[in-house]
Amino acid sequence: GAGVSQSPRYKVAKRGQDVALRCDPISGHVSLFWYQQALGQGPEFLTYFQNEAQLDKSGLPSDRFFAERPEGSVSTLKIQRTQQEDSAVYLCASSSATGSGRGYGYTFGSGTRLTVV
Amino acid sequence: DAKTTQPTSMDCAEGRAANLPCNHSTISGNEYVYWYRQIHSQGPQYIIHGLKNNETNEMASLIITEDRKSSTLILPHATLRDTAVYYCIVRVDSYTDKLIFGTGTRLQVFP
Repeated sequence: GAGVSQSPRYKVAKRGQDVALRCDPISGHVSLFWYQQALGQGPEFLTYFQNEAQLDKSGLPSDRFFAERPEGSVSTLKIQRTQQEDSAVYLCASSSATGSGRGYGYTFGSGTRLTVV
Repeated sequence: DAKTTQPTSMDCAEGRAANLPCNHSTISGNEYVYWYRQIHSQGPQYIIHGLKNNETNEMASLIITEDRKSSTLILPHATLRDTAVYYCIVRVDSYTDKLIFGTGTRLQVFP
């Protein structure tokens, strides 16, 4: 597609429930990033994929967070046993390996707003 | 931690130029200055980037000081739709390099 697509747009989960958030990057984009954005804060880096390889997961806040990109395109961010502090907007972004007139600037999706109750 | 410092908020009258400053005194020689903005309920949107020369595109102009320790994003004729949080980020220009966001500048354009 023309942009980065994320689903669902909104998710309400009961505390302790597992959730899965999906990201469809721009076709052919090698790099894929996940960010977490708490209310009133800037996005914070979670993890990075180059094709199917997860090269950096230093931002994942706990072992309850897991991300995958098995075929180097669609990615899923999974959160197990959700807690109230996981409530945030989860953003996905992708970037081309060849660059463009925007350098290596990312294209972001609109995010998934997760609310844990 | 973010390598940039920006004012928390700014106001601008519609139709006037909005000048958003950013300090990045520890920028390295191979790091670019990138600007993104985030309109409410949307993901961040790329605006412009530069290394040391001033840059202009259809959205904005970027003025980088000669010592590269600060820059200014200029929206020449602000509209109400430019109300957003603006983030100034320094990074290596690579498809593998993550963006590190600070808290940005909340620009309010008023009628």
